[in-house]
Amino acid sequence: KAGVTQTPRYLIKTRGQQVTLSCSPISGHRSVSWYQQTPGQGLQFLFEYFSETQRNKGNFPGRFSGRQFSNSRSEMNVSTLELGDSALYLCASTGHGVRELFFGEGSRLTVL
Amino acid sequence: GQNIDQPTEMTATEGAIVQINCTYQTSGFNGLFWYQQHAGEAPTFLSYNVLDGLEEKGRFSSFLSRSKGYSYLLLKELQMKDSASYLCAVQNNAGNMLTFGGGTRLMVKP
Repeated sequence: KAGVTQTPRYLIKTRGQQVTLSCSPISGHRSVSWYQQTPGQGLQFLFEYFSETQRNKGNFPGRFSGRQFSNSRSEMNVSTLELGDSALYLCASTGHGVRELFFGEGSRLTVL
Repeated sequence: GQNIDQPTEMTATEGAIVQINCTYQTSGFNGLFWYQQHAGEAPTFLSYNVLDGLEEKGRFSSFLSRSKGYSYLLLKELQMKDSASYLCAVQNNAGNMLTFGGGTRLMVKP
């Protein structure tokens, strides 16, 4: 069974640009969550999607947005990038009857 | 709001036992998770506690006291490969959202 797949794994952007990250959950999982991980703040919850609907949202500015497609794949977008957005963005999926989250390897974003 | 505290770093010797503590203050509680994360890798699930008491899983055990807002992860017979960050996370009542502590970086020395 394939794990959670995130693309791209690494990317470099400049301030003011926007970026889109993609996440393919484990087959059969309908819940997809996104987290930001930085050395200073640790893992922080961004948002969760379930059946194409945003179910939870963390305390991030509106520049951070996401969506989920009918096949459960999810994307997150960050607009008007700032230096502080440099981080590892982790996606996690879970399914019915499964208690733990399964994390992908992450997309490492560097903003210059 | 939610606040989760755990030590930043710990060092232990190969073959020994180490206990990593986690205290939490949350507005809701639906379970506590421990994850392991090696440098440059994804976090992987170790344990889950929702009721008070000890859950044992091989060399790893996790304990929960809901009245005290306290959990610990116990690692026995430490191996060099156990050098990693250990993340304590609380699930509140809303879906699959987890609130993580800052993580404890464990270094196992020969």
